[in-house]
Amino acid sequence: GENVEQHPSTLSVQEGDSAVIKCTYSDSASNYFPWYKQELGKRPQLIIDIRSNVGEKKDQRIAVTLNKTAKHFSLHITETQPEDSAVYFCAAMETRYDKVIFGPGTSLSVIP
Amino acid sequence: KAGVTQTPRYLIKTRGQQVTLSCSPISGHRSVSWYQQTPGQGLQFLFEYFSETQRNKGNFPGRFSGRQFSNSRSEMNVSTLELGDSALYLCASSLGRGPTNEKLFFGSGTQLSVL
Repeated sequence: GENVEQHPSTLSVQEGDSAVIKCTYSDSASNYFPWYKQELGKRPQLIIDIRSNVGEKKDQRIAVTLNKTAKHFSLHITETQPEDSAVYFCAAMETRYDKVIFGPGTSLSVIP
Repeated sequence: KAGVTQTPRYLIKTRGQQVTLSCSPISGHRSVSWYQQTPGQGLQFLFEYFSETQRNKGNFPGRFSGRQFSNSRSEMNVSTLELGDSALYLCASSLGRGPTNEKLFFGSGTQLSVL
């Protein structure tokens, strides 16, 4: 079955700097890669996703890149703000099966 | 439109007991997934239901089971509770079946404590 690894497990950055979180997946059949953000005490929420036929996707300060050959994808957050502090989960899914497998998460702290 | 609703919000049980958690998905969503969240372990996939059928199952022992009703509401049951079952149990719903329907909407979770 699918296995998703995620690095780093914790990340601290100064406000205004960029943050990068990297994930790898094992199942080459996976074709959908969402990222979820979970603020302290709240439920996870989708922030961006990418499909296997796309190499990069941007939404304001966040972007995701995908390398299908290497089976890894990354989340990039630019101009970080304190409200970006949260746990970020990457995930992989093969869309014929509604089974989303998550990475272990990255705790991001943005220091004002 | 109401979000995903999970009940109860908190549960305290003792070892050996059993527990049932409930999840009401967003109206129109037919897929319901369950996850166990513990510190450091992230979101561990338990199982997924679509139209009352379990389509996917994670690597959890048989003590963990679930079902889905005709109105898409789902329940999860854990029998013979162990201390290690203490966790936040999250339910997520989606439209399911096919591209563009994969976005998961999570409930607030049920915090289970096993003493």
